[in-house]
Amino acid sequence: DTEVTQTPKHLVMGMTNKKSLKCEQHMGHRAMYWYKQKAKKPPELMFVYSYEKLSINESVPSRFSPECPNSSLLNLHLHALQPEDSALYLCASSQTTSGGWNEQFFGPGTRLTVL
Amino acid sequence: QKEVEQNSGPLSVPEGAIASLNCTYSDRVSQSFFWYRQYSGKSPELIMSIYSNGDKEDGRFTAQLNKASQYVSLLIRDSQPSDSATYLCAVPPRNNRKLIWGLGTSLAVNP
Repeated sequence: DTEVTQTPKHLVMGMTNKKSLKCEQHMGHRAMYWYKQKAKKPPELMFVYSYEKLSINESVPSRFSPECPNSSLLNLHLHALQPEDSALYLCASSQTTSGGWNEQFFGPGTRLTVL
Repeated sequence: QKEVEQNSGPLSVPEGAIASLNCTYSDRVSQSFFWYRQYSGKSPELIMSIYSNGDKEDGRFTAQLNKASQYVSLLIRDSQPSDSATYLCAVPPRNNRKLIWGLGTSLAVNP
């Protein structure tokens, strides 16, 4: 059983919709991540939160907006997405963002389709 | 040279054989190395972490690290069809900014 949960499992949205992806971790970790993964590619980092503060934004378009309400929760707000944004969106957590404690544990992901 | 390299495969082995997956990395000061397993359509699952030179065993999995040669390998003994998946090697760089991922090796275990 995964200790990182994500909702919804699947999401289909139009280019004018606004939706949110949610992630929760129950491991007491202080770092949380959003990744995007396309088929047959490794995960691509989008955002990192460390101690509830945004520490890394990998030049992600503003139509993706992250939010970390508390140390256990991570949201990704979506607005005006493009069809090329269709992908598997993964949430992960780790104890911290430094050194050997960077073992990241992934949630099951949200399969996003943009029409 | 890519920072983390893996053979894309597919690597095909018969059931019960040893599967050997390799990963090379370019940053000599890397301290941590992770192997993830990813089934088609699912999320990556951490299966092994290794920090020191030598071997680390966990059940049917053995990770081998050789820092002098800058490679880390994953051996799967008594391979099962359920081991068929893509195996991703990931290495934190010296600045700890983000994990550097290999492209993954696809493993097929044939009954």
